[in-house]
Amino acid sequence: AQTVTQSQPEMSVQEAETVTLSCTYDTSESNYYLFWYKQPPSRQMILVIRQEAYKQQNATENRFSVNFQKAAKSFSLKISDSQLGDTAMYFCAFMKPEFNYGGATNKLIFGTGTLLAVQP
Amino acid sequence: KAGVTQTPRYLIKTRGQQVTLSCSPISGHRSVSWYQQTPGQGLQFLFEYFSETQRNKGNFPGRFSGRQFSNSRSEMNVSTLELGDSALYLCASSLAGGLGANVLTFGAGSRLTVL
Repeated sequence: AQTVTQSQPEMSVQEAETVTLSCTYDTSESNYYLFWYKQPPSRQMILVIRQEAYKQQNATENRFSVNFQKAAKSFSLKISDSQLGDTAMYFCAFMKPEFNYGGATNKLIFGTGTLLAVQP
Repeated sequence: KAGVTQTPRYLIKTRGQQVTLSCSPISGHRSVSWYQQTPGQGLQFLFEYFSETQRNKGNFPGRFSGRQFSNSRSEMNVSTLELGDSALYLCASSLAGGLGANVLTFGAGSRLTVL
């Protein structure tokens, strides 16, 4: 079974600085997807970034980028120029496409989350 | 474009009762998934529906059930509520089909408290 581990329960960063959130996972699969989701205090989960395992190039989305190390099964998130609005719980998630009725199913396996506080 | 809508947002029940939660997906999304979020167990997958069919299920007892209607709206039901069912229940919708992973869009959740 796949597992996702986030070893940093809480982190703090000063506004405008850079912070890196860690995530490791365990799987024997070769084809899978990794995600970072953000859950602000309002509770709406928002997709931050997504990475396909077959792509060696690290995904980037504006101030957010990942360091994907497939052999090490590591998937860290870097947030540059941190903003107060980045304060949230960040979840790392794993998805293995399981083909069923209608196509690939969408079962996410989440880590326990990292609570990031951006300080003014 | 409206997002994923979950109702009710908050509810309080007592042990032994049952509850029904509703989820309206983004227009055009045919897949609806449900997750339970608790401080102790984190985020756990409950089940996924596509075209009125359950196509994936997590490790939850049979007290947890769901269904999807022809307009893709989904409901989940928990019968014989236990204190441990207190949680935030999140619904997520996505475009279905294809061979790759679809991006899930989550609703704001339904906060269930069991007394």
